Amino acid sequence: EIVLTQSPATLSLSPGERATLSCRASQSVSSSLAWYQQKPGQAPRLLIYDASNRATGIPARFSGSGSGTDFTLTISSLESEDFAVYYCQQRSNWLSLTFGQGTRLEIK
Amino acid sequence: QLQLVESGGGVVQPGRSLRLSCAASGLTFSKSGMHWVRQAPGKGLEWVTFISYDGSSQSYTDSVKGRFTISRDNSKNTLFLQMNSLTAEDTAIYYCARDRGTKYFDNWGQGTLVTVSS
Repeated sequence: EIVLTQSPATLSLSPGERATLSCRASQSVSSSLAWYQQKPGQAPRLLIYDASNRATGIPARFSGSGSGTDFTLTISSLESEDFAVYYCQQRSNWLSLTFGQGTRLEIK
Repeated sequence: QLQLVESGGGVVQPGRSLRLSCAASGLTFSKSGMHWVRQAPGKGLEWVTFISYDGSSQSYTDSVKGRFTISRDNSKNTLFLQMNSLTAEDTAIYYCARDRGTKYFDNWGQGTLVTVSS
């Protein structure tokens, strides 16, 4: 099983600031990584797929980068609606899809 | 408008069974791979199982192999999850999610809560 480790567990920032979230894989997943956003009481929403491609309707302030084992989700300038929990997910081993444990982005 | 609606959750005793359903609309269901993903209370996301667009291929996470069965009825645009021998560790919100052949979860339902408790 490919283990995804996200850091930090919690990130405290203010609106307008830049957010950088990390996801590290226990073995190479090439570019087969996605990012999701989940707000309280809601289902997750796909933000980024194949490491750097924004999903339909996702604002340009969200960007993804990385390949192999190290990935980053960047939110260039935080808006109030961006405070949520973010998960990474790999599809490199499609018989055993896995998520990271999540990063909580909270208002400072 | 694409919609996935789960049903069938509830409170069930340990060792008993439950069957979840996911009704799909607004998409070509018969061309979509489908998954179940669960989330224990206050915890992260866990992929549970996948079924290919035609039902010919399935995969499961190790903790549910031999206990859970995923299936689909393309004539009724409905996905199912048969859960047997339930334990407290299966307590979670269960989401169905669509896969457009990428093994990413493009669209999600609102989830249905399964509570395993005596």
